[in-house]
Amino acid sequence: GAVVSQHPSWVICKSGTSVKIECRSLDFQATTMFWYRQFPKQSLMLMATSNEGSKATYEQGVEKDKFLINHASLTLSTLTVTSAHPEDSSFYICSARTGRDFYEQYFGPGTRLTVT
Amino acid sequence: GQNIDQPTEMTATEGAIVQINCTYQTSGFNGLFWYQQHAGEAPTFLSYNVLDGLEEKGRFSSFLSRSKGYSYLLLKELQMKDSASYLCASMDSNYQLIWGAGTKLIIKP
Repeated sequence: GAVVSQHPSWVICKSGTSVKIECRSLDFQATTMFWYRQFPKQSLMLMATSNEGSKATYEQGVEKDKFLINHASLTLSTLTVTSAHPEDSSFYICSARTGRDFYEQYFGPGTRLTVT
Repeated sequence: GQNIDQPTEMTATEGAIVQINCTYQTSGFNGLFWYQQHAGEAPTFLSYNVLDGLEEKGRFSSFLSRSKGYSYLLLKELQMKDSASYLCASMDSNYQLIWGAGTKLIIKP
């Protein structure tokens, strides 16, 4: 149980275009979802926290107009990278928390974004 | 400020034991986590400690000392598949995970 999927697993896009990444909890309802970014050989950087039906809470330094997060249901959250630039190329990982086990996050497999 | 420190890289031999240390300093404390991450993949949960002491789970054990702000992950009977990065994370008073940079563990035959 507690499986989280992400789609796509990798994407290449041109500079200036937008990319949407989906994060789904497959067998549980995720009251909270997290979006992380990870650059090579670095740790996870939390970008934002989203609760179903409410606006996402962005970490300091993360542009909310550039990284649009929508948590429309208890099983789906999306991250849209708008007007992507090469420096946005990174590994984006989502995770989800159930309301039951507050301490455990279940991670998706990640999405590798390359902006050319 | 909030800070998690762990070694950047460690090397060990197949079949041996390795201990990966982590020191943390966070605003409040709601537990210490260890995750394993293979290259290009998402982290997978290994352990969670909220009370002092040693938690054993098969070949992996995790220790916590809250007074010292210290934890370690102990891996026994190392296998080649254990080559990965090991991430230490502390949960702060807002239940947010504060992540260390990860320790890359290299296993040699």
